[in-house]
Amino acid sequence: GENVEQHPSTLSVQEGDSAVIKCTYSDSASNYFPWYKQELGKGPQLIIDIRSNVGEKKDQRIAVTLNKTAKHFSLHITETQPEDSAVYFCAASKGSSNTGKLIFGQGTTLQVKP
Amino acid sequence: KAGVTQTPRYLIKTRGQQVTLSCSPISGHRSVSWYQQTPGQGLQFLFEYFSETQRNKGNFPGRFSGRQFSNSRSEMNVSTLELGDSALYLCASSDTPGGTEAFFGQGTRLTVV
Repeated sequence: GENVEQHPSTLSVQEGDSAVIKCTYSDSASNYFPWYKQELGKGPQLIIDIRSNVGEKKDQRIAVTLNKTAKHFSLHITETQPEDSAVYFCAASKGSSNTGKLIFGQGTTLQVKP
Repeated sequence: KAGVTQTPRYLIKTRGQQVTLSCSPISGHRSVSWYQQTPGQGLQFLFEYFSETQRNKGNFPGRFSGRQFSNSRSEMNVSTLELGDSALYLCASSDTPGGTEAFFGQGTRLTVV
């Protein structure tokens, strides 16, 4: 069945260091891969996404890479700041097909220590 | 532009009761999806509506239902509540169906006692 595995489950870094979160998906028909950041008491916030026709996308300190052959994608955060501390979720979707829906990973709790 | 609005923010219900949650999507968005978030199961897809039609449904019992109105606002209903239904229910809106570029509301925290 459809599945997204996310690692690590917790990640602690020093302010200024980089953080990398990795996800693997099972359904080769997936073509859309968003990343969400969830702070305590709030809903998930879309921070970056990538589609299957692109290998890498960058937005300031955040980047996402996609390897369709290996069916995995990663989130890279550089120059981490304390406000980056949150739970991060990866997800995969088949886009606008009739069976399109977001399948989420289990989440990574990122702690950035000042 | 206003974001996704979910009401109420918090609910406490008794086992056996039913509950209705509401979601107003971002203006102009016609796709509304619902997700259940629990510590044990994470974020799980409930259903998706686009232009008042249910396009997709997750693996939840028939006690979970929803609908979408002509103004794209959506409601979900849970009947005969069980303790295990306690969760954060999240609504996401998008201008295209299928989960792409979906923006979430703050959720409704449902506690069943």
